[in-house]
Amino acid sequence: SAVISQKPSRDICQRGTSLTIQCQVDSQVTMMFWYRQQPGQSLTLIATANQGSEATYESGFVIDKFPISRPNLTFSTLTVSNLSPEDSSIYLCSVGNGGMGSPLHFGNGTRLTVT
Amino acid sequence: SQKIEQNSEALNIQEGKTATLTCNYTNYSPAYLQWYRQDPGRGPVFLLLIRENEKEKRKERLKVTFDTTLKQSLFHITASQPADSATYLCALLTSGGSYIPTFGRGTSLIVHP
Repeated sequence: SAVISQKPSRDICQRGTSLTIQCQVDSQVTMMFWYRQQPGQSLTLIATANQGSEATYESGFVIDKFPISRPNLTFSTLTVSNLSPEDSSIYLCSVGNGGMGSPLHFGNGTRLTVT
Repeated sequence: SQKIEQNSEALNIQEGKTATLTCNYTNYSPAYLQWYRQDPGRGPVFLLLIRENEKEKRKERLKVTFDTTLKQSLFHITASQPADSATYLCALLTSGGSYIPTFGRGTSLIVHP
């Protein structure tokens, strides 16, 4: 299965700043996703990162707050903008081959704390 | 509204016993159901997939059942070991073309030596 490297693994940021998270995969993948996992909560899909075009955002998530890039089939970034304490969470990069039922593979996540 | 329910309370069992975790869902018609394991500070790791027309799936010490009438999946770990301690997430994929699973919040399993 794909090996996913996510950076940084954790960060502490001040309110009003932004954090960019990088996701690097060791092989070309069809689908890349960004999830958020708040303490005690389920994984919530933020968006699907589309190669060469704008990401597809889920309800409740907008491009201005969570801009995403995917310049090629092995790399994506998620930026969390204009940070507030409510953005404190774990952000996870995930990849899949797009087949129905096929498993997702996850990076180890970025733990963000906003002060 | 659609819901995936997993017991929020941790399951504590003794080593060697069988752990049984439950995933209930409402207002879904899942075509597939997946189970993942998540350790602290790590991303989820895929364990098993079961299709709607399958009643049971096994992999080594793991067994998953899927009852679409009860709208429930059970996840069993036999001969449990302390190394099995982790959070276990179920995830549903519905028929209709979406290939992105929706996750439950997971149940923590603690196996005591």
